[in-house]
Amino acid sequence: AQKITQTQPGMFVQEKEAVTLDCTYDTSDPSYGLFWYKQPSSGEMIFLIYQGSYDQQNATEGRYSLNFQKARKSANLVISASQLGDSAMYFCAMREGWGGGFKTIFGAGTRLFVKA
Amino acid sequence: NAGVTQTPKFQVLKTGQSMTLQCAQDMNHNSMYWYRQDPGMGLRLIYYSASEGTTDKGEVPNGYNVSRLNKREFSLRLESAAPSQTSVYFCASRSGGDNSPLHFGNGTRLTVT
Repeated sequence: AQKITQTQPGMFVQEKEAVTLDCTYDTSDPSYGLFWYKQPSSGEMIFLIYQGSYDQQNATEGRYSLNFQKARKSANLVISASQLGDSAMYFCAMREGWGGGFKTIFGAGTRLFVKA
Repeated sequence: NAGVTQTPKFQVLKTGQSMTLQCAQDMNHNSMYWYRQDPGMGLRLIYYSASEGTTDKGEVPNGYNVSRLNKREFSLRLESAAPSQTSVYFCASRSGGDNSPLHFGNGTRLTVT
């Protein structure tokens, strides 16, 4: 069975500093995708970044980058130059297989607090 | 565009009552999903539908049923609500691309007393 582990229930970071949120996964499927989502206190789910299992380079989207270490089965999210608005819950998620019809499961999340 | 629309936003039920949570998407997505979110447990997949006419169990399907009414609509039914089903429920959809993310509704906060 696939599994996603986020070991940091809460993290603090100083404004303008970088922070890494950890995510490890477990799957036997060679084709999978890893996603990060942000959930602010307002409750909506916001997609941040995607990494495919066959992608050769680490994904980047603005201030977000994904540190993908396939052999270690980790997909850590790096947020550079943290802003107060980055305070939120962050979820790592994995989709096994390919195409549109495969289930996506989530980790328990990490709550990030950005200090002024 | 509305995206993914869930109704109702809030609901209080008594133990044993039934209800249906409605979800509709206007993005022509093939796949739709129901999750529940509980503190400290992230989002857990209840059921999903890869395409119109198919449904599959997720991680926590017990106590729920689903119907993929058509390509747009995917409903979640609680036949006999229990306090353990108190949660926030999210519907989501995605298109067929490998890198396509989930698009979420705004959630339904359900309390079972």
